[in-house]
Amino acid sequence: DQQVKQNSPSLSVQEGRISILNCDYTNSMFDYFLWYKKYPAEGPTFLISISSIKDKNEDGRFTVFLNKSAKHLSLHIVPSQPGDSAVYFCAALNFGNEKLTFGTGTRLTIIP
Amino acid sequence: DAGITQSPRYKITETGRQVTLMCHQTWSHSYMFWYRQDLGHGLRLIYYSAAADITDKGEVPDGYVVSRSKTENFPLTLESATRSQTSVYFCASSELQGLNNEQFFGPGTRLTVL
Repeated sequence: DQQVKQNSPSLSVQEGRISILNCDYTNSMFDYFLWYKKYPAEGPTFLISISSIKDKNEDGRFTVFLNKSAKHLSLHIVPSQPGDSAVYFCAALNFGNEKLTFGTGTRLTIIP
Repeated sequence: DAGITQSPRYKITETGRQVTLMCHQTWSHSYMFWYRQDLGHGLRLIYYSAAADITDKGEVPDGYVVSRSKTENFPLTLESATRSQTSVYFCASSELQGLNNEQFFGPGTRLTVL
């Protein structure tokens, strides 16, 4: 039972354009969401997060949007740069339970 | 070096052998985690630990054993390796509960079971 889903295994975007990565979840008890970025042969690194009490969080070129009624979150990268090419994982947890539930990942390729 | 390290980075073993993957963190984080990454499954939690001598099962614990005698170390043992345990294994650590629940990951161990 995949509680966190990333339905697009891969995405290609032109450099300078907007990249939008999507994530859906089924567990309404999740109250915190995170995005991780992973380069080949490295561990995932934290990118940005959002609490369920918010609907948007920005950090430079990265913005995460949360739509609780649709159980959907998205990561926007503007403008996309070649260094953004990586696998992106969304993850969720509920407070009081430190276990993260990860999605299957989306491989983003930025085309120069 | 500060941070979280894993050893070995690569390991090839045979079915039935015992293998131990090491994880060490220098931040004194309370929580430590073991994940495996497989195509089509993303990262799945194997075991985690809230503190020294406290461990609990994750999503896919079968075939694995963990221990945490010291806060900074969290070894993962495959008691009798199987081919289905061929995977990339990541260790992670985090602070005790807080709004910023970021987990810090090690570089991973690529394990091949022949």
